[in-house]
Amino acid sequence: KAGVTQTPRYLIKTRGQQVTLSCSPISGHRSVSWYQQTPGQGLQFLFEYFSETQRNKGNFPGRFSGRQFSNSRSEMNVSTLELGDSALYLCASSPRTGGVSEAFFGQGTRLTVV
Amino acid sequence: TQLLEQSPQFLSIQEGENLTVYCNSSSVFSSLQWYRQEPGEGPVLLVTVVTGGEVKKLKRLTFQFGDARKDSSLHITAAQPGDTGLYLCAEEIYNQGGKLIFGQGTELSVKP
Repeated sequence: KAGVTQTPRYLIKTRGQQVTLSCSPISGHRSVSWYQQTPGQGLQFLFEYFSETQRNKGNFPGRFSGRQFSNSRSEMNVSTLELGDSALYLCASSPRTGGVSEAFFGQGTRLTVV
Repeated sequence: TQLLEQSPQFLSIQEGENLTVYCNSSSVFSSLQWYRQEPGEGPVLLVTVVTGGEVKKLKRLTFQFGDARKDSSLHITAAQPGDTGLYLCAEEIYNQGGKLIFGQGTELSVKP
């Protein structure tokens, strides 16, 4: 079974630009979550999508948004990039069949804002 | 807001040594997951503990969940260089749709 695929792996953007990151979950997984990982703040939850609906959102500004398509693939968008948005962005998929769910993470997209 | 505290933050040991890392909370965990993350990769789930007092073993790794479900530990016996990585504990927040709260992690380096 193929794992979670995130594209691109690396990205360099300029302040003020916007960026779109992509995540393809494991086949059959309907839940996709996004996390931001930085050395100072660690792993922080951005949002979660299930069957194309955002079910939960973390404490991030409105510049961070996402969506999920009918095939469960998800995209995350960050507008008006700031230097502090430089981070590893991780996507996780889960079967969410009930009870405690296992999260399978992708390799992440390393975003550098200059 | 649930706060997970991990200790130590950094650990550098020689191959063959034993070690224990801890994860503590001010509140009761609904369940707790342990992940390992290698450089350039995403975290990989090692184990989920749910019941107070639970002990799970994964080869040389032993995971314990405190009786009161407010703390957990990960013990590695005879560490190997391949154990090097960032060890993270995380709680899935009940009724908040897949939201995981992570501790800051323990950075482990095992030198040959």
